Amino acid sequence: NAGVTQTPKFRVLKTGQSMTLLCAQDMNHEYMYWYRQDPGMGLRLIHYSVGEGTTAKGEVPDGYNVSRLKKQNFLLGLESAAPSQTSVYFCASSAGSRNQPQHFGDGTRLSIL
Amino acid sequence: EDQVTQSPEALRLQEGESSSLNCSYTVSGLRGLFWYRQDPGKGPEFLFTLYSAGEEKEKERLKATLTKKESFLHITAPKPEDSATYLCAVLDNFNKFYFGSGTKLNVKP
Repeated sequence: NAGVTQTPKFRVLKTGQSMTLLCAQDMNHEYMYWYRQDPGMGLRLIHYSVGEGTTAKGEVPDGYNVSRLKKQNFLLGLESAAPSQTSVYFCASSAGSRNQPQHFGDGTRLSIL
Repeated sequence: EDQVTQSPEALRLQEGESSSLNCSYTVSGLRGLFWYRQDPGKGPEFLFTLYSAGEEKEKERLKATLTKKESFLHITAPKPEDSATYLCAVLDNFNKFYFGSGTKLNVKP
């Protein structure tokens, strides 16, 4: 009954370091998404995928890369972390088309010093 | 510019005091409007999807309604466990999602 699982839950990085956030879903969903959530702002879409092997840019893609090598996994990479990337990152998945409800993980809290 | 605005930003209610949360939107055609509940330290949890004006959905003490310009989330006789941030999201005809910044609801016993 896991749903969407995000790893790690917390991380502190120094400016310029790189890291990868992992998202795994066990619902056989086609669509997967990465969002960031900042205080006072709505969730903003970073990148998304409509199926295995596909990725597309969202609203705020700069400074991030993604990969979807397996249907159940969606990776978000920060190549050279910047303080502006301090945020809470959420992964979500949905079945079929984009007008289906999204199921979210519990987030990764990332601080860049 | 397309956007989603939620009001109020915060709402404090006494247990049993009914109220409504508002989500107004301006998008290029509505494909769906979604309501989520988010507890502190957790991801958003799906509540409802509304697809067309006039549609209503209910779940326990919550009822969501939709017009051509806004949606309301009505909370009847709330309990402390209803305390959370409620998020609204809109999907437009270009398959773009827009999330509101949420209404933080606090229900006091």
